[in-house]
Amino acid sequence: KAGVTQTPRYLIKTRGQQVTLSCSPISGHRSVSWYQQTPGQGLQFLFEYFSETQRNKGNFPGRFSGRQFSNSRSEMNVSTLELGDSALYLCASSLSPGTSVDTQYFGPGTRLTVL
Amino acid sequence: AQTVTQSQPEMSVQEAETVTLSCTYDTSESDYYLFWYKQPPSRQMILVIRQEAYKQQNATENRFSVNFQKAAKSFSLKISDSQLGDAAMYFCAYRTGGGADGLTFGKGTHLIIQP
Repeated sequence: KAGVTQTPRYLIKTRGQQVTLSCSPISGHRSVSWYQQTPGQGLQFLFEYFSETQRNKGNFPGRFSGRQFSNSRSEMNVSTLELGDSALYLCASSLSPGTSVDTQYFGPGTRLTVL
Repeated sequence: AQTVTQSQPEMSVQEAETVTLSCTYDTSESDYYLFWYKQPPSRQMILVIRQEAYKQQNATENRFSVNFQKAAKSFSLKISDSQLGDAAMYFCAYRTGGGADGLTFGKGTHLIIQP
C-alpha cells in the first residue's frame, strides 16, 4: 500500500505570494492533518480534516487554510507569505480520528522557503 | 493545554548497546494515546511505537519498547541492540482519545549511534 505523498517536495516563494501544498493520504484513510516544523518552534499542529470538514484547528493565523476533497486528498494554502512561514510542512493521514485506530502516518513533507 | 517534555536534547550510544529516551507529559485527560516517532535525516517521520493510556501493559515492537508510568505521566522509549540505522531525531507525541486536537509533540531527542 502506498504511503502518504506530498507535492511539491520543495518550494521557493517570495514574501507576499501565496502557496498551495497538496497531500494524498494512504488509501482508505479519511483523515488528514497538517503540521508545521521549524527549528525554533518544533512541530506544531495546523489543522485536521475528516470527511471534507475541518475537524480541528491549531493556533495559526487565518492566512493558513486548507480543504479536503471527496477522495480524501487535502490541500493547504498560505496567503501573503512571510519570512517566518519558511518551514517543513508535514501531512499525516489516519483511518478515523478519535478512535482506537487513530494513528497518524506522515508523508515526506514539503520544504517551503520564503525569500 | 497538554504539554510534552523531552529533557534530553541529545543522546549517544554505542552500537549494540541499549539506550533509553525520556518523555514526560502533562494532561488532565484520562483517555489518550502516546507515540514515539523517528525522523532520520531524510526527514520522513516514521511511527516507532504507540501506547493506549487505558492499557497497563507496555507496548513493544521488536527492539523497541516503552516504559509507561501513567501516574507519573512518564513514557520512555528503550531501544535494545542499537543499530546505525537507529540514528535519528526521536519525538514523543500525545493525542487525546477523542482526537479533539492534533498531535502534541515534544522538542525531540537527537540520537547518535557510535560504531
